[in-house]
Amino acid sequence: EDQVTQSPEALRLQEGESSSLNCSYTVSGLRGLFWYRQDPGKGPEFLFTLYSAGEEKEKERLKATLTKKESFLHITAPKPEDSATYLCAVQANFGNEKLTFGTGTRLTIIP
Amino acid sequence: EPEVTQTPSHQVTQMGQEVILRCVPISNHLYFYWYRQILGQKVEFLVSFYNNEISEKSEIFDDQFSVERPDGSNFTLKIRSTKLEDSAMYFCASSVGSGRATIYNEQFFGPGTRLTVL
Repeated sequence: EDQVTQSPEALRLQEGESSSLNCSYTVSGLRGLFWYRQDPGKGPEFLFTLYSAGEEKEKERLKATLTKKESFLHITAPKPEDSATYLCAVQANFGNEKLTFGTGTRLTIIP
Repeated sequence: EPEVTQTPSHQVTQMGQEVILRCVPISNHLYFYWYRQILGQKVEFLVSFYNNEISEKSEIFDDQFSVERPDGSNFTLKIRSTKLEDSAMYFCASSVGSGRATIYNEQFFGPGTRLTVL
């Protein structure tokens, strides 16, 4: 069974204080690892897809990296508008389409 | 920018009643999905739909649930006889490709329908 574990559950940072969120996974062959942002009461907003170990992707203050067992979402010099829950999901190989999500990291950036 | 839309935003129903949740996927997308999120819990996969048939479903998606693409734009989720435990946020998603493809399998989510079963 595919599993995704995210840590920490919650993280409070001062504005400008960089940090990383962790997503560890076990999957029967990784097709893709996805990062989403979710604001309260809203749907997940797509951020990144990573397909193979060593891959990195960047978007504004966010950078996602992937190894064979985990992914990191690095946030550099965050701003209050970066406050949200960040979700990690995996899609297994062998033709599966479903995404298996973790419980997310709730990030709060304090001005 | 194209987006997935869902109606209604909030649905309140009595236990045992039927509900239909509606979604309009992004227009050039071929794969459609329903997920749900019970308050405070993780997002869970329900079903995927391609070429007018279910391509994958989870254990949650039992005989009480059905999906349909009644026309060229809408995608619906029907719950025949709602239970208290069906109360959740239901998200529709769509993608150009799927896990079987090499690219373009990112799933884009709608804003959700909050279903409250009393």
